[in-house]
Amino acid sequence: SQTIHQWPATLVQPVGSPLSLECTVEGTSNPNLYWYRQAAGRGLQLLFYSVGIGQISSEVPQNLSASRPQDRQFILSSKKLLLSDSGFYLCAWREEGSGGAQYEQYFGPGTRLTVT
Amino acid sequence: QKEVEQNSGPLSVPEGAIASLNCTYSDRVSQSFFWYRQYSGKSPELIMSIYSNGDKEDGRFTAQLNKASQYVSLLIRDSQPSDSATYLCAVNPIKAAGNKLTFGGGTRVLVKP
Repeated sequence: SQTIHQWPATLVQPVGSPLSLECTVEGTSNPNLYWYRQAAGRGLQLLFYSVGIGQISSEVPQNLSASRPQDRQFILSSKKLLLSDSGFYLCAWREEGSGGAQYEQYFGPGTRLTVT
Repeated sequence: QKEVEQNSGPLSVPEGAIASLNCTYSDRVSQSFFWYRQYSGKSPELIMSIYSNGDKEDGRFTAQLNKASQYVSLLIRDSQPSDSATYLCAVNPIKAAGNKLTFGGGTRVLVKP
């Protein structure tokens, strides 16, 4: 069965510091991967998605970046955090392919980031 | 107009009653529809997917899809306090790049004992 991991679970960082969040998926090959952010009391905002190694699409211009160095690894980074970067960061995956149940996305446990 | 709309709630339901959640979407050619449950402080969990018009039942949950009217609903029968959560509706437009999902803002459900 497939499993998705995210770490760290919680993070407190000062403004201006760098960020690196990691997501890995087990039990599947060439998944589509997604990074979302959920601000307190708000909906899900899609930040980045990737359909393959090295292929990153950005949904929202900001000071965040994403990379996919390996098939099942997705990394979210920032060089300098802003207060507005605080939130709940969620990684999700879906099977590569088209049609039916393969569109289902599954979320990791998330990383709660507080920028102080 | 938002692409996927949900009433934010809270929807207050007595224990044992039926909770009815609605979701409307704007992209007429959307083909895949999903309901996620999100407990406070936790990540969303997929509970239902539906692709064809009509009803789909899974335990106490029933998803209903009406593509002509562009709405999808979720019924929770015999509601339990453990069903108290935010329910997110998600839609997959037929030609979404990266097979992205579009999420609604969620409906908060409170089941009172």
